[in-house]
Amino acid sequence: AQTVTQSQPEMSVQEAETVTLSCTYDTSESDYYLFWYKQPPSRQMILVIRQEAYKQQNATENRFSVNFQKAAKSFSLKISDSQLGDAAMYFCAYRSAGTGNQFYFGTGTSLTVIP
Amino acid sequence: GAGVSQTPSNKVTEKGKYVELRCDPISGHTALYWYRQSLGQGPEFLIYFQGTGAADDSGLPNDRFFAVRPEGSVSTLKIQRTERGDSAVYLCASSSNPVNTEAFFGQGTRLTVV
Repeated sequence: AQTVTQSQPEMSVQEAETVTLSCTYDTSESDYYLFWYKQPPSRQMILVIRQEAYKQQNATENRFSVNFQKAAKSFSLKISDSQLGDAAMYFCAYRSAGTGNQFYFGTGTSLTVIP
Repeated sequence: GAGVSQTPSNKVTEKGKYVELRCDPISGHTALYWYRQSLGQGPEFLIYFQGTGAADDSGLPNDRFFAVRPEGSVSTLKIQRTERGDSAVYLCASSSNPVNTEAFFGQGTRLTVV
């Protein structure tokens, strides 16, 4: 089974500053998808950004961007101009493009935004 | 409905009792997932449905756990003889095909076994 590792249990950032959350994964597959999900205290997981492994270009969604390093199996999330509403748990997730459709999640990073 | 709906939001039950957790996915979504999230952990896969059938139930921890989706829409996760270790948030998600689309999650059911 694939494993997803988030080595930063907690991170903090000053409002309006930039923060990067780390994620690494282990797989023998060449075709897959990577996701960052945000989970606020309401518990509902919300998709932040998605990356297809076959694409070399890093995905960007407004203030959120990723640094996808396929050879290194690394998928970090950069949040620019951090806002108070960004405070939440962030989960990195892997999904195979082949057999099996489940998502594999990391253990999460708790992000605090300091006013 | 507009999103994935899970009921109840919270459930407290006594050890040894039977519980049912319901998930109402987004209309038209053929894929449905159940995950379990323990405190401080990421979601852990339990079971995946494609239509009415369980395509992958490899994450169910033991035979006390069972899930159904008889009409390919609403799903029920059933836990028999609950144990304190079953206490967790149970998340349901649904997605449409193709496989690369995101999964849309409900707000989960927090199960507490006392």
